[in-house]
Amino acid sequence: ETGVTQTPRHLVMGMTNKKSLKCEQHLGHNAMYWYKQSAKKPLELMFVYSLEERVENNSVPSRFSPECPNSSHLFLHLHTLQPEDSALYLCASSQERPLSSGRYNEQFFGPGTRLTVL
Amino acid sequence: QQQVKQSPQSLIVQKGGISIINCAYENTAFDYFPWYQQFPGKGPALLIAIRPDVSEKKEGRFTISFNKSAKQFSLHIMDSQPGDSATYFCAARSGTSYGKLTFGQGTILTVHP
Repeated sequence: ETGVTQTPRHLVMGMTNKKSLKCEQHLGHNAMYWYKQSAKKPLELMFVYSLEERVENNSVPSRFSPECPNSSHLFLHLHTLQPEDSALYLCASSQERPLSSGRYNEQFFGPGTRLTVL
Repeated sequence: QQQVKQSPQSLIVQKGGISIINCAYENTAFDYFPWYQQFPGKGPALLIAIRPDVSEKKEGRFTISFNKSAKQFSLHIMDSQPGDSATYFCAARSGTSYGKLTFGQGTILTVHP
């Protein structure tokens, strides 16, 4: 257990469905991330929330909509997805630190949600 | 310039052998280089990390070698064990307070008994 949980673990949805992925961290961290992991591709950073504000949005299509209601919870709302969106969606959290601290702020990952879009 | 290139894509090693995975980067602004290990059904987990002002870091059987001038770094797994069979990702951190990571493509390591 990494202290980061994700639900559901598996999700199958049609292209017209609307669903949400949930992530919860129990580590007291103040930054949370969504990554997409596809076969034979690097992990792709989708969104970053730091202190509950979105600080990164890496050209992700609008059919993916993140929400961070507090520092412990992160959602990814899905609508009108395409089959190429099928992937493992990973949530991570870390503790934001000043760069001057020289310390590595480790990201802790959840187990992921395996999404299949039909 | 933000890419991190990782090789090989897959690696098969006999038990007791040395596993070596290589990564290369272009962006000199990266300030930390972690390696993550991922088992099936799990998310990636930090294995070991190094700063660019250090040429080598060792933790148990795992060693990172870092060549700043060549912009390359590698992971060495000594005395590889079947339990080390997993996917390994190198990464590089950009200079942000929340630690933005750019990942390599991953290497699937299989250690045969």
